[in-house]
Amino acid sequence: NAGVTQTPKFRILKIGQSMTLQCTQDMNHNYMYWYRQDPGMGLKLIYYSVGAGITDKGEVPNGYNVSRSTTEDFPLRLELAAPSQTSVYFCASRNVDEQFFGPGTRLTVL
Amino acid sequence: AQSVTQLGSHVSVSEGALVLLRCNYSSSVPPYLFWYVQYPNQGLQLLLKYTSAATLVKGINGFEAEFKKSETSFHLTKPSAHMSDAAEYFCAVIYNQGGKLIFGQGTELSVKP
Repeated sequence: NAGVTQTPKFRILKIGQSMTLQCTQDMNHNYMYWYRQDPGMGLKLIYYSVGAGITDKGEVPNGYNVSRSTTEDFPLRLELAAPSQTSVYFCASRNVDEQFFGPGTRLTVL
Repeated sequence: AQSVTQLGSHVSVSEGALVLLRCNYSSSVPPYLFWYVQYPNQGLQLLLKYTSAATLVKGINGFEAEFKKSETSFHLTKPSAHMSDAAEYFCAVIYNQGGKLIFGQGTELSVKP
């Protein structure tokens, strides 16, 4: 099994551009999550989903959108990128009590 | 607000020395507790977890953690540090089944030869 995969690994955006971070899991988990990681701040939850068709906001959702049309995929959309969105983004999926993380996407907004 | 606190953003030990990374949670109801490790430029990997079974939990790579309800703590230890243990370590908590994972700020562990 591939587990949780994320693409791209790295991306540089200009202010105002938009992009979609892709996340796919092959473990048939219902719960999926998007986090951002900033130095010294731990991981902050952006959005999460408890199953296909259901999404909800986390701690820091402003500037982001998500969709969950299938169990496998949970893309994160950035509209009008801002320098404050420079971060490392992690996707995760969860079984009963354990989360599995993807390798991350390092995004820089200039 | 429910939270988790890691004492010390950076810990440095010598190779072969005891590793102690501290984690405290903020609830009178025992939560589910986790320690994750993150190696440079990688995602998070589960080291160990406490889910209301044995209070002393053994994980991968020789790490273990003890749940102490009276101290609301879940400190991570390893008797003898290896150079390969150098990484960032995150304590995380779920306060109720089905709840969201709350992360501490992380502790960067350095191991000196």
